[in-house]
Amino acid sequence: QKEVEQNSGPLSVPEGAIASLNCTYSDRGSQSFFWYRQYSGKSPELIMFIYSNGDKEDGRFTAQLNKASQYVSLLIRDSQPSDSATYLCAAMNRDDKIIFGKGTRLHILP
Amino acid sequence: DTEVTQTPKHLVMGMTNKKSLKCEQHMGHRAMYWYKQKAKKPPELMFVYSYEKLSINESVPSRFSPECPNSSLLNLHLHALQPEDSALYLCASSQRQDNYNSPLHFGNGTRLTVT
Repeated sequence: QKEVEQNSGPLSVPEGAIASLNCTYSDRGSQSFFWYRQYSGKSPELIMFIYSNGDKEDGRFTAQLNKASQYVSLLIRDSQPSDSATYLCAAMNRDDKIIFGKGTRLHILP
Repeated sequence: DTEVTQTPKHLVMGMTNKKSLKCEQHMGHRAMYWYKQKAKKPPELMFVYSYEKLSINESVPSRFSPECPNSSLLNLHLHALQPEDSALYLCASSQRQDNYNSPLHFGNGTRLTVT
């Protein structure tokens, strides 16, 4: 089974600090990686995606990909209470299936 | 607001009922998906349609029957469900299934309760 692994948390971060969310994947053939935010009782919302090694920035969010280490991360700068949610990491594997990790619960402390 | 529209938002059905979930997108996407999500669990892939043809069935029980009438519509027909099938059913679309540059866009989901 090709898996995507995340620490379930909760990860508690003070307001205004940087939140760092991590994800590893087992399928070396995975092509692209996605970060979704999901509030309780709501559907997942795309934050950003990355498919090349290195960093990709979008506003307060930075995704980082290291294919050699099979590692993906999401940094959230200037964390706000509204960032409190579950963050789902997903990977498109070699079978063109998008598979989700179990998610990390993030709690921003006011 | 999402560009993928799912109806109904909530559905309660008995184990002998037949019902359908509906999904619609007008983004010109050619891949559509059904995911199932139980509480505090990640979305689990059920079906994928690519160019209106079923391309992936993740060994889903036959009491779930997908249908893709055209490139904008996706249905999930439900029959003889079990209480353990109660979950949030998510529809998603993407530009193409096999494009690494093609993220999923989710609808708001249908909260299904089987009694």
